[in-house]
Amino acid sequence: DVKVTQSSRYLVKRTGEKVFLECVQDMDHENMFWYRQDPGLGLRLIYFSYDVKMKEKGDIPEGYSVSREKKERFSLILESASTNQTSMYLCASSAQGGRDGYTFGSGTRLTVV
Amino acid sequence: AQSVTQPDIHITVSEGASLELRCNYSYGATPYLFWYVQSPGQGLQLLLKYFSGDTLVQGIKGFEAEFKRSQSSFNLRKPSVHWSDAAEYFCAVALYNFNKFYFGSGTKLNVKP
Repeated sequence: DVKVTQSSRYLVKRTGEKVFLECVQDMDHENMFWYRQDPGLGLRLIYFSYDVKMKEKGDIPEGYSVSREKKERFSLILESASTNQTSMYLCASSAQGGRDGYTFGSGTRLTVV
Repeated sequence: AQSVTQPDIHITVSEGASLELRCNYSYGATPYLFWYVQSPGQGLQLLLKYFSGDTLVQGIKGFEAEFKRSQSSFNLRKPSVHWSDAAEYFCAVALYNFNKFYFGSGTKLNVKP
């Protein structure tokens, strides 16, 4: 069964901490994405990557960065966590062209206190 | 501006009743269209997709959706709702290269016994 695995289901971090959210896919997908999900706002794209070492900003990249050193792994980094980054974070992947749609991970619920 | 609209934030239906969830999009060309479902605390699962051809598409779990170009709509339907269908539903569109999706804000479905 194809999988997108997010390393943590729940995280609690302190304001100002550097936070790493990890995502690994086993489908040899070229494309990987990070979204955040907030009530009433749906899914908003933070960053995406079409290939190893490539990254592009999504709609809300401020306060975030990403790393893709290997094809299967896409990391989201909060350089200095703030309380307004408390959210559900969803990782997704898709094959080149994306005709089969996205495959999503189960999400990481991050609370910044 | 490109957008995906799901006008209903919450819908409640009785078990066994029919269901229709609305989705409208605003794009210059016909996009590629998807419906996803998210159970509480989970990632998103693909229900169905439309690329071209027959405007009525069948998906998993007994769902179907109809593309209407004249109305820029892609509404999701199910003839008889089961309690296990209670979840949040997201409409998504992808432009011609499929690599990047845009999501609606979601419709939360409650099912009454």
